[in-house]
Amino acid sequence: DIVMTQTPLSSPVTLGQPASISCRSSQSLVHSDGNTYLSWLQQRPGQPPRLLIYKISDRFSGVPDRFSGSGAGTDFTLKISRVEAEDVGVYYCMQATQFPFTFGPGTKVDIK
Amino acid sequence: EVQLVESGGGLVLPGGSLRLSCSASGFTFSSSWMGWVRQAPGKGLEWVAKINRDGSEKNYVDSVKVRFTISRDNAKNSLYLQMNSLRAEDTAVYYCVKDQRGSYWGQGTLVTVSS
Repeated sequence: DIVMTQTPLSSPVTLGQPASISCRSSQSLVHSDGNTYLSWLQQRPGQPPRLLIYKISDRFSGVPDRFSGSGAGTDFTLKISRVEAEDVGVYYCMQATQFPFTFGPGTKVDIK
Repeated sequence: EVQLVESGGGLVLPGGSLRLSCSASGFTFSSSWMGWVRQAPGKGLEWVAKINRDGSEKNYVDSVKVRFTISRDNAKNSLYLQMNSLRAEDTAVYYCVKDQRGSYWGQGTLVTVSS
C-alpha cells in the first residue's frame, strides 16, 4: 500500500496569514495514464470531509481561490493564501493512483 | 444539488452483520464510480471499497476482504455495503463517497461493534 505522510500534524495560524501543509507519498503517484491522482480534503469539526483540490492542483467547484495545490511525483503542498476562521479543521491528502486509496494522517489547522 | 444519504448503521454484536445503504441524487448515478470510506472515532480516514459504474469491478482494502461486499443498483440510484463477521475494529462512521476524487461525501452512518 502507498503510505502518505503529512507535515506538520498541527498548524496554529493567525487569521489573514498564509498556511502551508506538506504531503509525501511512499512511491510516485503518477498513474499509467499520465495523471497524478492526489487530492486534498478539508474536514471541519463535526462534518464529513469536503474535496478542495484534485489531480494536484485542480480546484474543485465552489472552493475559494485562496486554496492552491502544487507538487509532483511524491511531494505535494497545499497552501492557504490568507487563513479565514472558516478554514479551521483537519486537512487530509489522499492518493487515488493505486487501490487501496490511502490518506495522510491529517493536519489540524486552528487559529492562534 | 448532489446528495448522498447513508442509512443502516447501528449497534451490532461481534460476529454480526449489517447492510449499509446510500441513496444518491442530483447526478447521473450510473456514470460514477462510488465508494465507502470509514473513520474510526477520533481517527483518520480509510477507504474501504470501491465499485465501478456498472458494478463489474470491485476493490476492497485487505482488512475487509471476504467479509464485506460492495454493490449497487443503478435503477434505484443506490449503493450498498454488506458487512459480515463484524469486529470491534470495524467500529466507525461509514461515508458514501462519489468517485475516486472523493468529490462528494454523505453525512455518514455510525457502525458500533460491541458486546
